[in-house]
Amino acid sequence: DIQMTQSPSSLSASVGDRVTITCRASQSISRFLNWYQQKPGEAPKVLIYVASSLQSGVPSRFSGSGSGTDFALTISTLQPEDFATYYCQQSYSAPYSFGQGTKLEIK
Amino acid sequence: EVQLVESGGGLVQPGGSLKLSCVASGFTFSGSAMHWVRQASGKGLEWVGRIRSKANGYATEYAASVKGRFTISRDDSKNMAYLQMNSLKTEDTAVYYCTKLDSSGAYYHDYWGQGTLVTVSS
Repeated sequence: DIQMTQSPSSLSASVGDRVTITCRASQSISRFLNWYQQKPGEAPKVLIYVASSLQSGVPSRFSGSGSGTDFALTISTLQPEDFATYYCQQSYSAPYSFGQGTKLEIK
Repeated sequence: EVQLVESGGGLVQPGGSLKLSCVASGFTFSGSAMHWVRQASGKGLEWVGRIRSKANGYATEYAASVKGRFTISRDDSKNMAYLQMNSLKTEDTAVYYCTKLDSSGAYYHDYWGQGTLVTVSS
């Protein structure tokens, strides 16, 4: 099974900051990497799919990069509504494992 | 509008069984694989398993943590997916989400239900 490792597990930042969250797969997953945002009490919402494709309706300040085993989610200019928990997920092969999550908090 | 609505959660004793249901609408259910994802309180997301479509032989796959105890099934005539959970453990306590992958083949979860809470406790 493929293991997904996210870092950092938590991050404090300010509105307007640029932040990057990374995700590493235990083996190559090509570009089958998705990023989700989850707010308390809500189901996750996809932001980025196949490593760098922006889901319709998601602000352009979100971007994804990477291939193979190393991936990144970047938020260019943090907005108040971006403080949430972010998860990566590989969809290369079942079981479709998630990273452990990165909680983005207001500094 | 795509909707996924889970039901069947509740309190069950360790070693017991519970069956969750997910009713789907707004998309071609019979052609879609259906997945279950869970989340323990304050913890991360864990992919539980999936059932593929009839065209793919209704194949199922499961996370190692539930394999042999959980079974996913579907009834395309009712647009329903099910998660039968047996031999439940306290660590199975979580909110269980029903979810589908997008239809373009990009393999991401585009729609999720609201979740149903399963509590395993004596």
